[in-house]
Amino acid sequence: ETGVTQSPTHLIKTRGQQVTLRCSSQSGHNTVSWYQQALGQGPQFIFQYYREEENGRGNFPPRFSGLQFPNYSSELNVNALELDDSALYLCASSRPFAQPREQFFGPGTRLTVL
Amino acid sequence: GQNIDQPTEMTATEGAIVQINCTYQTSGFNGLFWYQQHAGEAPTFLSYNVLDGLEEKGRFSSFLSRSKGYSYLLLKELQMKDSASYLCAVRDLGQGDSGGYQKVTFGTGTKLQVIP
Repeated sequence: ETGVTQSPTHLIKTRGQQVTLRCSSQSGHNTVSWYQQALGQGPQFIFQYYREEENGRGNFPPRFSGLQFPNYSSELNVNALELDDSALYLCASSRPFAQPREQFFGPGTRLTVL
Repeated sequence: GQNIDQPTEMTATEGAIVQINCTYQTSGFNGLFWYQQHAGEAPTFLSYNVLDGLEEKGRFSSFLSRSKGYSYLLLKELQMKDSASYLCAVRDLGQGDSGGYQKVTFGTGTKLQVIP
């Protein structure tokens, strides 16, 4: 176990709804990244938060947004859900200036959009 | 942008050696990772290369050639529990280490099946 936790484990929503996913990072890790992993694919980078600010973003529309809190936990919010948003959502924490700066992944939230 | 290629599937025999290749194209290379992901689970870190050469860690080794945009993961003495997907991931220079930013791009993964 990596010490990174995510909730909920599974979630079912309908198209057009909004969802909030949560992540608690490993102790001492102030950088959190979010990934979307479709079945049979590698994780796709959504965005990264460092010290409560978004400091990097992948090719995802603005309806994907996030927050990071003072305790470094984080949320991923997705508005206006689409069927293609069905995927495993992973958060990963890391220490920004450590080497090799590997990311420690949480178990993920499986989102199904109907 | 980045482009990462690795084989989709491989099969190998228990006790054997397998090499999983990864080629990449990136505008600013700042390290390459290998992760293991069992079905239904999160990726776990295996290795990291930032300089050319071989990094060995137990039964796992990873090689990098930056000039060729090429890496491989070598698994020795294969065990049934090694059946998993192996993800090659490249870190981009992006904004550098300012603000701790690192953009890591993953390949689609190589699904390895170990057979008796």
